[in-house]
Amino acid sequence: ETGVTQSPTHLIKTRGQQVTLRCSSQSGHNTVSWYQQALGQGPQFIFQYYREEENGRGNFPPRFSGLQFPNYSSELNVNALELDDSALYLCASSALAGGNNEQFFGPGTRLTVL
Amino acid sequence: GENVEQHPSTLSVQEGDSAVIKCTYSDSASNYFPWYKQELGKGPQLIIDIRSNVGEKKDQRIAVTLNKTAKHFSLHITETQPEDSAVYFCAASRKTDSWGKFQFGAGTQVVVTP
Repeated sequence: ETGVTQSPTHLIKTRGQQVTLRCSSQSGHNTVSWYQQALGQGPQFIFQYYREEENGRGNFPPRFSGLQFPNYSSELNVNALELDDSALYLCASSALAGGNNEQFFGPGTRLTVL
Repeated sequence: GENVEQHPSTLSVQEGDSAVIKCTYSDSASNYFPWYKQELGKGPQLIIDIRSNVGEKKDQRIAVTLNKTAKHFSLHITETQPEDSAVYFCAASRKTDSWGKFQFGAGTQVVVTP
């Protein structure tokens, strides 16, 4: 186990709704990255948070937003849910110092949009 | 941007045989290459990684090789066991001061038959 926790484990929403997913980083880690993993595919980078600021973003629309808190935990918010947003959402924590890239993933939140 | 291709998509091996998964990347600035194992219903687990200043790294039954000139890297699993059955992902990223976006391959489903 990595020490990265995510909640909830499963979530069902309807199209147009909003959702908030949560992640607690591993002890000693100051950076959280969020990924979307569609069924049968590799994870796709959404964005990264470092020192409570967005620190890089992938090819996702603005309705995907996030926060990082002083204790380094993080939230992913998705507005105006679409059917294609159904996926496993993963967060990964790392200690961004001197370019250290190691990222450790949580178990994910399975989001289903109906 | 970076593009990572992974082959094969599925791999079936007899217990005790070796398994090899290959990935190619496009961004010559990439310098960190992790491999993840993902079991059903779980998040990806880091199993081994390699940085661009070395050509090979080994950890018990698993090894990774990197050819920077050809821009490809491979995962080798020897003496496979049924518990090695999982989906394996390669990834590539740059070492930067600002952020570490991982570009993942599409994954390889490995099935080890007794």
